[in-house]
Amino acid sequence: ELKVEQNPLFLSMQEGKNYTIYCNYSTTSDRLYWYRQDPGKSLESLFVLLSNGAVKQEGRLMASLDTKARLSTLHITAAVHDLSATYFCAVDRRGGGADGLTFGKGTHLIIQP
Amino acid sequence: NAGVTQTPKFRILKIGQSMTLQCTQDMNHNYMYWYRQDPGMGLKLIYYSVGAGITDKGEVPNGYNVSRSTTEDFPLRLELAAPSQTSVYFCASSFLYTEAFFGQGTRLTVV
Repeated sequence: ELKVEQNPLFLSMQEGKNYTIYCNYSTTSDRLYWYRQDPGKSLESLFVLLSNGAVKQEGRLMASLDTKARLSTLHITAAVHDLSATYFCAVDRRGGGADGLTFGKGTHLIIQP
Repeated sequence: NAGVTQTPKFRILKIGQSMTLQCTQDMNHNYMYWYRQDPGMGLKLIYYSVGAGITDKGEVPNGYNVSRSTTEDFPLRLELAAPSQTSVYFCASSFLYTEAFFGQGTRLTVV
């Protein structure tokens, strides 16, 4: 059974600090997705990582993928309050790309002034 | 640009009742999905479709049914609602190997 594990599941941090969220998965997938969810809202795509060594950056967020280690990281630089949200990583459920995603439980991030 | 539209947004059902959650996308995506989200548990795949007329079970299909008669529409049917089906339901669509776009969700309570 495919497992996707995120840690930490809960993170409270101060504005201006840096931190990393980790996503480990148990399959040999070359693709990994990061989503953001605000309370009571839908999911918004952040990054699509399609190969080993992929690195993508958007503002204060940077995501990377190491398929050999089956690990993705989401790094937050100089956090600001607006980044408070729940962040999910997900991988292809069966590796084929068309069969849906398996999600981690999410990392609930609170950024305090 | 509507994207993925779900209706209704909220619904309260009594045990044993049935209902259909509607989902429509206007992005011409081949792939469509239904997920449920329970607190602290991430999202679980219920059913998915790779094109009109083709559907398949996901991780948690029991108690649900789907159909895909057109590219745009992918309704989810709940038969004989049970308290365990209280959840937030998300419909999503995508092309292959791209990010999925999610609807706004349907918050369902079964009492």
